[in-house]
Amino acid sequence: EQLVAYGGDLIQPGGSLTLSCAASGLLVYENYMTWVRQAPGQGLEWISIVYTNGDTYYADSVKGRFTVSRDNSKNIFYLQMNSLRTDDTAVYFCARSQEVYVGLDARGGWFGPWGQGTLVTVSS
Amino acid sequence: DIVMTQSPDSLTVSLGERATINCKSSHSVFDTSSNKNYLSWYQQKPGQPPKVLIYWASSRESGVPDRFSGSVSGTDFTLTISSLQAEDVAVYYCQQYYSTPWTFGQGTKVEI
Repeated sequence: EQLVAYGGDLIQPGGSLTLSCAASGLLVYENYMTWVRQAPGQGLEWISIVYTNGDTYYADSVKGRFTVSRDNSKNIFYLQMNSLRTDDTAVYFCARSQEVYVGLDARGGWFGPWGQGTLVTVSS
Repeated sequence: DIVMTQSPDSLTVSLGERATINCKSSHSVFDTSSNKNYLSWYQQKPGQPPKVLIYWASSRESGVPDRFSGSVSGTDFTLTISSLQAEDVAVYYCQQYYSTPWTFGQGTKVEI
C-alpha cells in the first residue's frame, strides 16, 4: 500500500490549487482518505476526510475554502484549495484512515499509510 | 474540540535508557461499547511523513519494535521507549480519533 501526494506549488494569496494523492495497493473508494498538513517547523493539523459513503468533513480552518473529492476510476483523491492564505503554507500529507466504530457509528480512526507530502507555499 | 496536551516538549535520553512521553486529553476518548481508548501514537523523523506506532492506546502496529509500548490511566496516556536506540530520534505525536475534528498533541522531540 502506497500513497503519493503531488501538486504543491508556490501560489499567491487568494489563489487556488489542487493537490492529488495517487494510491496503489489500496482502493480510495473502499477506504477513508484524509489530508493532514504541517506548517514549517510546526506540528500536525488534520484538515479533511472523505468517508467510503462519500461523506466529507473539514477542519474549521479550511471549511468553505477546501474541498476533498476522489476519482474512483483513477484511484486518486484530491484536495481543491481556494482562497489560499499565507497561513495555509505547509507540507500537505495524504493518508488512509482506518475505519473504526464509536458505538454503532463508523468513523475514521488512526492514519496510515501516509504519503510523502507535497509543499504548498502561499506568498506574494 | 478535544485538546491533546503532550509533555515534555523535548526529551534527551541516553542510548539504552528509557524514554517516557505523556499525553493528556481534555475529554475522555474511551468508548464504553467497545471498551477501547481512541488514541494513537506516531513517530516522525526529519523529512519524513509520520508513521503510526500504536493505536487503541496500547496496540502496537505490525513491524514496530516491541521496545515501544503504550499505556493509559483515565485521560492520561503514555508512550514508553524501553531502551532508546539511535534510530528512535524523532518527534512523537499522540492523536485522538474519538471525535471530529481529529486532533494531535503538539509533539515531543526525542534526542540522544
